[in-house]
Amino acid sequence: GQQLNQSPQSMFIQEGEDVSMNCTSSSIFNTWLWYKQEPGEGPVLLIALYKAGELTSNGRLTAQFGITRKDSFLNISASIPSDVGIYFCAGRPPGGGKLIFGQGTTLQVKP
Amino acid sequence: NAGVTQTPKFQVLKTGQSMTLQCAQDMNHNSMYWYRQDPGMGLRLIYYSASEGTTDKGEVPNGYNVSRLNKREFSLRLESAAPSQTSVYFCASSPDSYEQYFGPGTRLTVT
Repeated sequence: GQQLNQSPQSMFIQEGEDVSMNCTSSSIFNTWLWYKQEPGEGPVLLIALYKAGELTSNGRLTAQFGITRKDSFLNISASIPSDVGIYFCAGRPPGGGKLIFGQGTTLQVKP
Repeated sequence: NAGVTQTPKFQVLKTGQSMTLQCAQDMNHNSMYWYRQDPGMGLRLIYYSASEGTTDKGEVPNGYNVSRLNKREFSLRLESAAPSQTSVYFCASSPDSYEQYFGPGTRLTVT
């Protein structure tokens, strides 16, 4: 079946640094979503992307829907300690298929 | 507006016991989902309900049953719990099969 490869698996960065993570697939998707999950909580939707090439920001977060429709990127600028958590990408394939989730990128920020 | 609520938050079962996980949403969403989350495996879909009165299997349905009681409520039942069902269970709802909104999760341990 379709799979999403999310990388890196984990990141340990210094406060103030920028962060980049991505999600790739061998199949195309019509929608890309990015979620953040804090310890002990459910995933929270950060950004939704609906068109190839779309670039959307939410505060210090910026996400892009790849031109090939097979990938998506999430950037976090000037990281702060509360950015800690697991970031998941999710893609919705053409034809109304169910969301497929990546395995997550665990982000740790050192003050 | 509570969003998606789940009960209980924590549960410990012995092998062979049964239980029902409850989920409710107050956003008037049509679709509801049950996922399980295991370390390193991301979110895997157990069952979903595209609309009131319909349910369908997801990626890992074995050992589970669901009931879409009404538009608000979607329950997940374990008839005979097994240690392999130790996991964190998330319920989600969606207005349109695109963006999904998650509950806080139920942490289940089967001994």
